[in-house]
Amino acid sequence: DIVMTQSPDSLAVSLGERATINCKSSQSVLYSSSNKNYLAWYQQKPGQPPKLLIYWASTRESGVPDRFSGSGSGTDFTLTISSLQAEDVAVYYCQQYYGTPLTFGGGTKVDIK
Amino acid sequence: EVQLVESGGDLVQPGGSLRLSCVASGFTFSNYWMHWVRQAPGKGLVCVSRISSDGSSTRYADSVKGRFTISRDNAKNTLYLQMNSLRAEDTAIYFCARGIYGSYSWFDLWGQGTLVTVSS
Repeated sequence: DIVMTQSPDSLAVSLGERATINCKSSQSVLYSSSNKNYLAWYQQKPGQPPKLLIYWASTRESGVPDRFSGSGSGTDFTLTISSLQAEDVAVYYCQQYYGTPLTFGGGTKVDIK
Repeated sequence: EVQLVESGGDLVQPGGSLRLSCVASGFTFSNYWMHWVRQAPGKGLVCVSRISSDGSSTRYADSVKGRFTISRDNAKNTLYLQMNSLRAEDTAIYFCARGIYGSYSWFDLWGQGTLVTVSS
């Protein structure tokens, strides 16, 4: 199984400041023939299902604010919230879809400082 | 409205059975692979099972293999998860989710989830 490791487990950021979440996969999720990274990011607020933010490591889902961005390749990825808003308080998960079983990171909780 | 609505979660004793349902609306259900993802209380997300768009291919997590069965009825726009020999560690919210890109996919649409509690 591909193990997804997120860091930090939690972080607190001031409103308007940058939040950075890291995700590392135990093997590369870059599919060489397409040059695409099989990596997605989700946001989950309390009592709600996860919401897709980003796929192909950096493609923003329709309707997702542009303060959310994804980067990285191979085994190391980052989700950045450029200017944290109050509504961004949530747990964020990365997910690989390169191998079976599909696996998620353990989650990173983002709070307001 | 494009949505997934789960039902069937309940309190069940260890060794018991449950069948979860997920009704899809607002999109062509038969075009998509579908997945069940669970989340134990206060924990992360784990893929439990997935099924191809026509129901001919299925896959299970090792933890549920031989106990859970995924199926679908495309005429009824409904996904199922038959859960047998339930254990305390199966306690979780179970989400159905749509795989937008076939078998190896991200999930672009999620239901609200249904809670399964296994306890005596």
